[in-house]
Amino acid sequence: DGGITQSPKYLFRKEGQNVTLSCEQNLNHDAMYWYRQDPGQGLRLIYYSQIVNDFQKGDIAEGYSVSREKKESFPLTVTSAQKNPTAFYLCASSAVAGGRDEQFFGPGTRLTVL
Amino acid sequence: QKEVEQNSGPLSVPEGAIASLNCTYSDRGSQSFFWYRQYSGKSPELIMSIYSNGDKEDGRFTAQLNKASQYVSLLIRDSQPSDSATYLCAVNVPAGNMLTFGGGTRLMVKP
Repeated sequence: DGGITQSPKYLFRKEGQNVTLSCEQNLNHDAMYWYRQDPGQGLRLIYYSQIVNDFQKGDIAEGYSVSREKKESFPLTVTSAQKNPTAFYLCASSAVAGGRDEQFFGPGTRLTVL
Repeated sequence: QKEVEQNSGPLSVPEGAIASLNCTYSDRGSQSFFWYRQYSGKSPELIMSIYSNGDKEDGRFTAQLNKASQYVSLLIRDSQPSDSATYLCAVNVPAGNMLTFGGGTRLMVKP
């Protein structure tokens, strides 16, 4: 059963903590993306990766970090430097990079800062 | 100027009517256009993609693209209450090698 999985579904973070959000895909897609969505807003790109061991900053990368050690995995770390991390985090993938191809989304992780 | 603009709504239509959702974009080099449906609390689901000028139909959905006027629209025929959701328009940005999303239009279909 092909798809994108994200875990956890809900995550609570204390001030000053780093937390890592998991994203895994078994679609054999080359490109993977992380977006942030705030209530009533569209999606904003945090980071994207077109190939293993390579990634680029999106529009709002400050306070976040990623790695792409395996084709199927693209974890996102929300660091303590991110001052307002409460949001809905969405991972997506596409067969090829470049924005021309369809992107498919995982179910999302809702992060709340306590 | 935002790169992709949508009316936030809500757009309210009666059941059985045609819902028309519009999106304008600023980059004339854009080549790929997508419509996503997002139910409250859920992740976006791809419903239509369009790459050429004109209309593309898929069931009750029709996407329309006019590159000269830089707009893309989504028509939903025979609207159902289950179509009530936020619809996101996404456009590729060639220079940045990524997709840019509009803020979404909230659609409400009333029985």
